[in-house]
Amino acid sequence: DGGITQSPKYLFRKEGQNVTLSCEQNLNHDAMYWYRQDPGQGLRLIYYSQIVNDFQKGDIAEGYSVSREKKESFPLTVTSAQKNPTAFYLCAISTGGYGYTFGSGTRLTVV
Amino acid sequence: SQKIEQNSEALNIQEGKTATLTCNYTNYSPAYLQWYRQDPGRGPVFLLLIRENEKEKRKERLKVTFDTTLKQSLFHITASQPADSATYLCAPAINNNDMRFGAGTRLTVKP
Repeated sequence: DGGITQSPKYLFRKEGQNVTLSCEQNLNHDAMYWYRQDPGQGLRLIYYSQIVNDFQKGDIAEGYSVSREKKESFPLTVTSAQKNPTAFYLCAISTGGYGYTFGSGTRLTVV
Repeated sequence: SQKIEQNSEALNIQEGKTATLTCNYTNYSPAYLQWYRQDPGRGPVFLLLIRENEKEKRKERLKVTFDTTLKQSLFHITASQPADSATYLCAPAINNNDMRFGAGTRLTVKP
């Protein structure tokens, strides 16, 4: 997926459990984003980060947390406070005037 | 509130015909608009970007128009092929950190 790797591909979460989704990029881009995709809905922005050690909330940040300790890495934690976490999660980097490059996604399911 | 609407959830056409997908937006003034292709279980792939001062953009068999008065973008695939079958997402944006995605139109091209 063009230098952006998400893992795992599938993830199962039990009630009350925190889980962390990984996003790594080797394209040396500053801006990274996390989106959530639900059936029949557009992608919704969870968090984004423009530079290391800085990140901003998107439209649906409640129940999620992120960190940006390294330029290459932008992990997303789905906390137990997120009551409806089952969704397809997508990480992306911005390539200036050439759109976003997305990872292959992580499908999270609550069991 | 901001709304991004793609004309229909699904569009079926015959191979060789032109597919036309519509994206309308309300309560939003994007500086540019992007189109993405998404295959099942995969992340979206960037196709085209058109700016507010551009009327039309082409790339191979793809053509995008952007009418800021009508608040609409049209996405055309000419000489369609079964391999063009996918979901297509429109994404108007004010800037890289304020981009909204439509729910997508699922295109099926029948041989």
